[in-house]
Amino acid sequence: ETGVTQTPRHLVMGMTNKKSLKCEQHLGHNAMYWYKQSAKKPLELMFVYNFKEQTENNSVPSRFSPECPNSSHLFLHLHTLQPEDSALYLCASSHRGRSSGANVLTFGAGSRLTVL
Amino acid sequence: GQQLNQSPQSMFIQEGEDVSMNCTSSSIFNTWLWYKQDPGEGPVLLIALYKAGELTSNGRLTAQSGITRKDSFLNISASIPSDVGIYFCAGQTHNAGNMLTFGGGTRLMVKP
Repeated sequence: ETGVTQTPRHLVMGMTNKKSLKCEQHLGHNAMYWYKQSAKKPLELMFVYNFKEQTENNSVPSRFSPECPNSSHLFLHLHTLQPEDSALYLCASSHRGRSSGANVLTFGAGSRLTVL
Repeated sequence: GQQLNQSPQSMFIQEGEDVSMNCTSSSIFNTWLWYKQDPGEGPVLLIALYKAGELTSNGRLTAQSGITRKDSFLNISASIPSDVGIYFCAGQTHNAGNMLTFGGGTRLMVKP
């Protein structure tokens, strides 16, 4: 048990579907992240939430919509995706202080998304 | 932006051999982290390095950060089949709001 739980682990959806990925952390962290991992590419940071406020949006298309209702839960709502959006979506959390200091991420197992 | 160059991209070794991989950057990172990702799972933290020149071991794994804070290496001694996976380095600078920059990963394959 990593302390960060992602559901579903696998998702197949059509381009017109609407689905959501869910992430829950049990570590008492205050920051949560969405990363995209495609084959043969470095991890791509998508969104960051710090104390429930979105602090980073790395030019992610609007067909990806994050939601962070509290510090323990993070969602990624998916709508009219493209086949090239097929990837492993990783959620992570950390204790991110307001001052400088090490920011060690704990990752979930990921949600493998296939867009047909 | 900041980039981490991780090498080699992949390695195919015989069980029992030692492994070495490294990350380099033109930027300074205050903290270096090494993660391992097993097939079908998320990355798991192996070792964290918080000081320049720090050397830290975790079982058969040893990692060190460079004196200049621009590089780090990870060594695995006496590899075993369960060492298979992708190893990522990550660097953090205080100037970047504590955000991590990840290397491209080293895919390790071990032949029994």
